[in-house]
Amino acid sequence: DGGITQSPKYLFRKEGQNVTLSCEQNLNHDAMYWYRQDPGQGLRLIYYSQIVNDFQKGDIAEGYSVSREKKESFPLTVTSAQKNPTAFYLCASSLTGGEGYEQYFGPGTRLTVT
Amino acid sequence: AQSVTQPDIHITVSEGASLELRCNYSYGATPYLFWYVQSPGQGLQLLLKYFSGDTLVQGIKGFEAEFKRSQSSFNLRKPSVHWSDAAEYFCAVGPRGYQKVTFGTGTKLQVIP
Repeated sequence: DGGITQSPKYLFRKEGQNVTLSCEQNLNHDAMYWYRQDPGQGLRLIYYSQIVNDFQKGDIAEGYSVSREKKESFPLTVTSAQKNPTAFYLCASSLTGGEGYEQYFGPGTRLTVT
Repeated sequence: AQSVTQPDIHITVSEGASLELRCNYSYGATPYLFWYVQSPGQGLQLLLKYFSGDTLVQGIKGFEAEFKRSQSSFNLRKPSVHWSDAAEYFCAVGPRGYQKVTFGTGTKLQVIP
């Protein structure tokens, strides 16, 4: 079955440590996205990539970094510079070209930093 | 810049009753519009989308939404709610020819027996 996988589902880290969240898709989508979700704030875009080896900052990129070395993979690193990293992180992907396409979401990773 | 407003943070309906969730958007041209549903601790699932054509859009799970350009609205409706519809619902808007979308803050639906 095609879809998006995120691992792990739950992640715990100590303050000051960097942590990398995994996102893999087998939908053959060119575009991939990372969102952060906090209660009552909806989804906020962290980074997105429309093609391999290229990515753009979203609305809340500070304290995060990404890479896009393969079409299928778009890992997100939460660095120690992120002031409030505890949140639910969602990865998504979509087709590109034409006038636009809907995004497909993974199951999410809940990160807790103490 | 585009924006989305979901004025109702929380809605409670009785099972079998009708449902309407409100969504208003701000965008300079005709946008793409989406409704997603999220169960607790899960990812988002697309319910329906509007790109062009018929302004009344049918989606999965018996949901429909109507695009009203004059009111900048894209309200989600269901004639008879089931207990399994309890979840959080997100409206989203995106510009044509561009992948980035903006999500509303969500409406949490509670269904009582």
